[in-house]
Amino acid sequence: DTGVSQDPRHKITKRGQNVTFRCDPISEHNRLYWYRQTLGQGPEFLTYFQNEAQLEKSRLLSDRFSAERPKGSFSTLEIQRTEQGDSAMYLCASSLEGAQFFGPGTRLTVL
Amino acid sequence: RKEVEQDPGPFNVPEGATVAFNCTYSNSASQSFFWYRQDCRKEPKLLMSVYSSGNEDGRFTAQLNRASQYISLLIRDSKLSDSATYLCVVTPSGTYKYIFGTGTRLKVLA
Repeated sequence: DTGVSQDPRHKITKRGQNVTFRCDPISEHNRLYWYRQTLGQGPEFLTYFQNEAQLEKSRLLSDRFSAERPKGSFSTLEIQRTEQGDSAMYLCASSLEGAQFFGPGTRLTVL
Repeated sequence: RKEVEQDPGPFNVPEGATVAFNCTYSNSASQSFFWYRQDCRKEPKLLMSVYSSGNEDGRFTAQLNRASQYISLLIRDSKLSDSATYLCVVTPSGTYKYIFGTGTRLKVLA
């Protein structure tokens, strides 16, 4: 399968814990994006990488959120001191030019 | 005003019907437009890009009206398998990020 992959697919954590998600984009894609989606809403943009450079961050992304793409390939999204409001589906997408292709997402539940 | 607005539906239509969705956007400098399809608890999947001249892919037709700032999706001869949420996507000028609408739910009934 040469699509976007994400790991883990599901994560249940207790409030206050840190979590980290991984995204592996389509191999030749230099652009990588993170989005968050809650029930009944469309995905909301969080951040964007071109190769290893983080070029855009949403104001939604609080100081508790950090993302990296150290070698311009896979990316990680870390949430520190999780809150119940962080419960959502976290989607990764990649593109070369034009349309973005999404991974299956990581569903986070914060208890 | 939201950047991208869609009627959430649901639109309940019989098999074989033609159904159309509209989506309005607020940023007149928006440069790229797409329709994505999302099944329940799955990721969004690209349905089609939307070009200024309008474009068609089988039973699906997309249109862009820059003057009135809306895009549309027309589905002809609806199939049961078309039941899904259809997400309108706009890319503002100077950025690569997607701005999504909330989606329009379609249910095609037998």
